[in-house]
Amino acid sequence: AQSVTQLDSQVPVFEEAPVELRCNYSSSVSVYLFWYVQYPNQGLQLLLKYLSGSTLVKGINGFEAEFNKSQTSFHLRKPSVHISDTAEYFCAVPEAAGNKLTFGGGTRVLVKP
Amino acid sequence: EAQVTQNPRYLITVTGKKLTVTCSQNMNHEYMSWYRQDPGLGLRQIYYSMNVEVTDKGDVPEGYKVSRKEKRNFPLILESPSPNQTSLYFCASSWAGSTDTQYFGPGTRLTVL
Repeated sequence: AQSVTQLDSQVPVFEEAPVELRCNYSSSVSVYLFWYVQYPNQGLQLLLKYLSGSTLVKGINGFEAEFNKSQTSFHLRKPSVHISDTAEYFCAVPEAAGNKLTFGGGTRVLVKP
Repeated sequence: EAQVTQNPRYLITVTGKKLTVTCSQNMNHEYMSWYRQDPGLGLRQIYYSMNVEVTDKGDVPEGYKVSRKEKRNFPLILESPSPNQTSLYFCASSWAGSTDTQYFGPGTRLTVL
């Protein structure tokens, strides 16, 4: 069975500091990879996605992620966070055969002034 | 405006009283799905549908039913709700299945007493 692991449930970070959110997936899943963001009391929206090509993917709001096939990872980074980046972030991976979609447990980012 | 709508947004009910949460999208998407979000568990897929009259189980289908009689609508039915179904529920849709960007509704917070 496929699995998606987000290693940190919470990440406190100061404003203007860098942040990295880790995501590892099982090798049985497809190589389509997504990061979604959920701002407080809202639904999820797409942050960025990897479909193929360059392993470094740029998304909205200055976020980027790197696909590493050998380490089965898709870590999300931002070099300088803002208060408005306070949210929960989810890594998601579709299964290799079929149409299920598996999410990680989420990482809650709290940006402090 | 392209959107996914859910109703109701909040619902408090009692054990065993049948309920339906509606989901509608206006983007002519083929794929629709339901998730529940619980703290520390991320989003878990309940059911998904590839098209009208085509539905399949996700990872946590027990206690839920769905139907897809029209392309735009994908209601979630709890025929005999129990307290362990207290959760935040999201509907999502996409053009081309689980490998495509998902568009999420605003969520339905359900409490079963």
